[in-house]
Amino acid sequence: DTGVSQDPRHKITKRGQNVTFRCDPISEHNRLYWYRQTLGQGPEFLTYFQNEAQLEKSRLLSDRFSAERPKGSFSTLEIQRTEQGDSAMYLCASSFVGEKLFFGSGTQLSVL
Amino acid sequence: QQQVKQSPQSLIVQKGGISIINCAYENTAFDYFPWYQQFPGKGPALLIAIRPDVSEKKEGRFTISFNKSAKQFSLHIMDSQPGDSATYFCAVAEVSGSARQLTFGSGTQLTVLP
Repeated sequence: DTGVSQDPRHKITKRGQNVTFRCDPISEHNRLYWYRQTLGQGPEFLTYFQNEAQLEKSRLLSDRFSAERPKGSFSTLEIQRTEQGDSAMYLCASSFVGEKLFFGSGTQLSVL
Repeated sequence: QQQVKQSPQSLIVQKGGISIINCAYENTAFDYFPWYQQFPGKGPALLIAIRPDVSEKKEGRFTISFNKSAKQFSLHIMDSQPGDSATYFCAVAEVSGSARQLTFGSGTQLTVLP
């Protein structure tokens, strides 16, 4: 169990640029979640995959956001035409069947 | 609408003291109530969780008290240590229904003084 891995740890971008984050869940975990956390707040749910199927999307996930999980393994979260309001920590979590979520250390995005 | 309200926002406790953090929720469909601990630069880590069929769960120095009728639950940290200094989040979920994802409170920053 090597834990949930997220890459990169930090990303600085200019407004209007596209960014992509990667998440490698714990092997054999079939469920994968993306959350967003802003300073001083709790994580907010963005989207959920069971294997390769994206089963739930929050209304927070605008059409500039897209997530994929090809082959039910790693996942990517892409943000197109970034805005300053997208600055946040993007957290990935995985679980196997049950509700116990294991979180990665996140990708801190700063949009200038 | 905020689905879970957490208090206090910050808490300072002396070493050896008891830390108490409270959460209140509205939706009676929630059936899973975890507490997460987060250190700076890290993701949240599950500390302890409870289902509504019990009123209390204890794991080491950490205890969840659950009051179904009041729709409240709390985290008690006994014999608080400086290493417990972190941000604590309560969360709710409806694991038996469609809203399986966790909804988090706004967090409590705990500082344990040596």
